[in-house]
Amino acid sequence: DGGITQSPKYLFRKEGQNVTLSCEQNLNHDAMYWYRQDPGQGLRLIYYSQIVNDFQKGDIAEGYSVSREKKESFPLTVTSAQKNPTAFYLCASSIPGLAYGYTFGSGTRLTVV
Amino acid sequence: AQSVTQPDIHITVSEGASLELRCNYSYGATPYLFWYVQSPGQGLQLLLKYFSGDTLVQGIKGFEAEFKRSQSSFNLRKPSVHWSDAAEYFCAVVPNTGNQFYFGTGTSLTVIP
Repeated sequence: DGGITQSPKYLFRKEGQNVTLSCEQNLNHDAMYWYRQDPGQGLRLIYYSQIVNDFQKGDIAEGYSVSREKKESFPLTVTSAQKNPTAFYLCASSIPGLAYGYTFGSGTRLTVV
Repeated sequence: AQSVTQPDIHITVSEGASLELRCNYSYGATPYLFWYVQSPGQGLQLLLKYFSGDTLVQGIKGFEAEFKRSQSSFNLRKPSVHWSDAAEYFCAVVPNTGNQFYFGTGTSLTVIP
């Protein structure tokens, strides 16, 4: 079955450490997105990519980085510059134009220890 | 400012009772409109969407939503709530000139026996 796989489901980061969250899709979608979810704040867009080798910053890109070397993959790196990284991270993908909505992964919960 | 508003942070209903979750948006022209549901620790699942045409749209799990242009609203309804409907519900819009979703802050639904 087609879908989006996020891994790991839970991730712990030490202060000053970079960590990378994986997002893989086999839906043949061109566009992929990373959102951060905090209680009471809804979903906020970190980065998005509409085509391989191209991506744009979202509303809260500071302290994060991404790459899009393959259509299927859109990893997110949470760098040490992100001062408050504890959150639930959601990856999504879509066809161009968003007419059919997003397909979401099941998320990664990142905790700073 | 452009926004998506879900005025109810938390709603509690009895099983079997009817449900209405409110969503208002402020965008110039009618955007694409969506409702998503999220179970704890999971990604978001699309319930229904509206692009144009009939203002009453049917979705999965017995949900429906009504678009009211005059009120800039897209409220979600269900005639009889089941215990399994307990979850977080998000309204989302895609401006018709945009390339990303904008989410409301969500409404948490509790269902009591």
